[in-house]
Amino acid sequence: DAEITQSPRHKITETGRQVTLACHQTWNHNNMFWYRQDLGHGLRLIHYSYGVQDTNKGEVSDGYSVSRSNTEDLPLTLESAASSQTSVYFCATASGQGAQTQYFGPGTRLLVL
Amino acid sequence: GDSVTQMEGPVTLSEEAFLTINCTYTATGYPSLFWYVQYPGEGLQLLLKATKADDKGSNKGFEATYRKETTSFHLEKGSVQVSDSAVYFCALSDSAGGFKTIFGAGTRLFVKA
Repeated sequence: DAEITQSPRHKITETGRQVTLACHQTWNHNNMFWYRQDLGHGLRLIHYSYGVQDTNKGEVSDGYSVSRSNTEDLPLTLESAASSQTSVYFCATASGQGAQTQYFGPGTRLLVL
Repeated sequence: GDSVTQMEGPVTLSEEAFLTINCTYTATGYPSLFWYVQYPGEGLQLLLKATKADDKGSNKGFEATYRKETTSFHLEKGSVQVSDSAVYFCALSDSAGGFKTIFGAGTRLFVKA
């Protein structure tokens, strides 16, 4: 069965460190998204990609970057982790253009001390 | 810009009670509307969707009708079960937003036996 995997599932890091969260999908979907989930804010879009070599900023992109070198992976990098980036991070995919259903990974819980 | 507003939780019900979770939206185009559900420790998954006015989405006993005149997409279930305890997210996606998905803040539902 097709799936989305995220790693690690839990991460504790220190302020100022660089952190990379992995997202790997076997749906063969063109569209990939990174969200953060915080109490009272729902899901907020960080970055997204509509295909290989394409990346775009979402509403809360400051301090984060992504790269898309193949269809399957969209790693999310926190350049210099801050306590405000403590959150649960979700990767999601969708098949193509139009108002498509999104498929979510299980999430990564990140704590920045 | 586009936005989704849903009722604040938590909502606590007894088993077999009737459920309504209100959702209203603001959009410049003609959005598709979604309800996603998140069970503890998991990512979101699609519950139901509707793509045009007066459409009714349904799944697992849940229903929601796309009401353009009231810009609403309220979620209903006639008889909830303990296993329905989860967080429910209303969402929209339309061409004016590049088909990105905008999520509401989520409503937590607790169902007591």
